[in-house]
Amino acid sequence: EAGVTQFPSHSVIEKGQTVTLRCDPISGHDNLYWYRRVMGKEIKFLLHFVKESKQDESGMPNNRFLAERTGGTYSTLKVQPAELEDSGVYFCASSQRQGSTNEKLFFGSGTQLSVL
Amino acid sequence: AQSVTQPDIHITVSEGASLELRCNYSYGATPYLFWYVQSPGQGLQLLLKYFSGDTLVQGIKGFEAEFKRSQSSFNLRKPSVHWSDAAEYFCAVGAGDTGRRALTFGSGTRLQVQP
Repeated sequence: EAGVTQFPSHSVIEKGQTVTLRCDPISGHDNLYWYRRVMGKEIKFLLHFVKESKQDESGMPNNRFLAERTGGTYSTLKVQPAELEDSGVYFCASSQRQGSTNEKLFFGSGTQLSVL
Repeated sequence: AQSVTQPDIHITVSEGASLELRCNYSYGATPYLFWYVQSPGQGLQLLLKYFSGDTLVQGIKGFEAEFKRSQSSFNLRKPSVHWSDAAEYFCAVGAGDTGRRALTFGSGTRLQVQP
């Protein structure tokens, strides 16, 4: 079974440019999460999809970030325009639609974003 | 608001030695607690979790953790470390009783294993 796949693994862009990160969850997983880790600090929650709906987007830092999950399959996270402080590792995770006590998250290996 | 503190940024132990990684959390109600490990080039992998019941939780790869409510701690332990345990370890808390699924992570502890 394929795990959670993220693309690209690394991205280097200049300040002001646009970058789109992609996450392919495990097939059949309704829940999809985005997290990011900035400068070796804690991993912070960005948002949570259930199928194609945004269940919780309280962690999105500002309106330069746009996440979509059309059709409830893969998700994209666009940063436009990118700023220096957006550099970090962006993780995606998915889980099946279960109660919170049984939910098991599967994480992708992350996208390392560097904004110069 | 919930928070997680991992006081040790970097720990070095010798292979075969015991290990304890510290985790303190702040949360107003009964927390859901997790330990994840990230090996180089890999995603985060769940080691173990605590929701309720026995406060000593067994996980994969020979790890265990003990929930101590009075100390707001959930320290991770392993009696004998293997070279393959070198990785970064993250403690996390979830607000399970609110239904909110987002996890709050600590800043991680990087474990180095000396031969």
